[in-house]
Amino acid sequence: EAGVAQSPRYKIIEKRQSVAFWCNPISGHATLYWYQQILGQGPKLLIQFQNNGVVDDSQLPKDRFSAERLKGVDSTLKIQPAKLEDSAVYLCASSFNFYQGNEQFFGPGTRLTVL
Amino acid sequence: TQLLEQSPQFLSIQEGENLTVYCNSSSVFSSLQWYRQEPGEGPVLLVTVVTGGEVKKLKRLTFQFGDARKDSSLHITAAQPGDTGLYLCAGAGLTGGGNKLTFGTGTQLKVEL
Repeated sequence: EAGVAQSPRYKIIEKRQSVAFWCNPISGHATLYWYQQILGQGPKLLIQFQNNGVVDDSQLPKDRFSAERLKGVDSTLKIQPAKLEDSAVYLCASSFNFYQGNEQFFGPGTRLTVL
Repeated sequence: TQLLEQSPQFLSIQEGENLTVYCNSSSVFSSLQWYRQEPGEGPVLLVTVVTGGEVKKLKRLTFQFGDARKDSSLHITAAQPGDTGLYLCAGAGLTGGGNKLTFGTGTQLKVEL
């Protein structure tokens, strides 16, 4: 069974530029998560989707970050404009549904460097 | 806000040594998970503990959930270089939360030959 796919794996941009990340969850998984992980720290949830609806985006900096999952499958996370402090790994995860106890499966992440 | 503090933050040991990683919070969690993350990869689930006082063993790894469900520990016996990685605890809240996890601060383990 294919895992969670993410692209690109690495991205380097200048501050104030925009960037987008793509995620393809495990087939059949209704719930999709985007996390931000600062080097050496634990991941922080940015946004959670159930199908194409947002369940939780309380920690998403909405002035610069946006995310969508239009058809309830793939998802994109965008940052515009990027700041130096956005340098991090952006992880996508998926689970069968959003009920507690459902295992979250993580992709390899996209490492973003903002110069 | 639910916070999970892990200690130690860094740990460098020799092969064959034992170690314990702690995960502490002032909040109660309905369940707690432990993950291991290797460089360039996402976290991989090791175990989920649900009941206060629960102990689970996975080969050389022993996981314990505190009686009050506020803390947990991970003990590794006879560590091997393959155990090297970032260990993360993650708690699921009591108040719904839609499978939302709060991750701990992480413990970076290095096991040397």
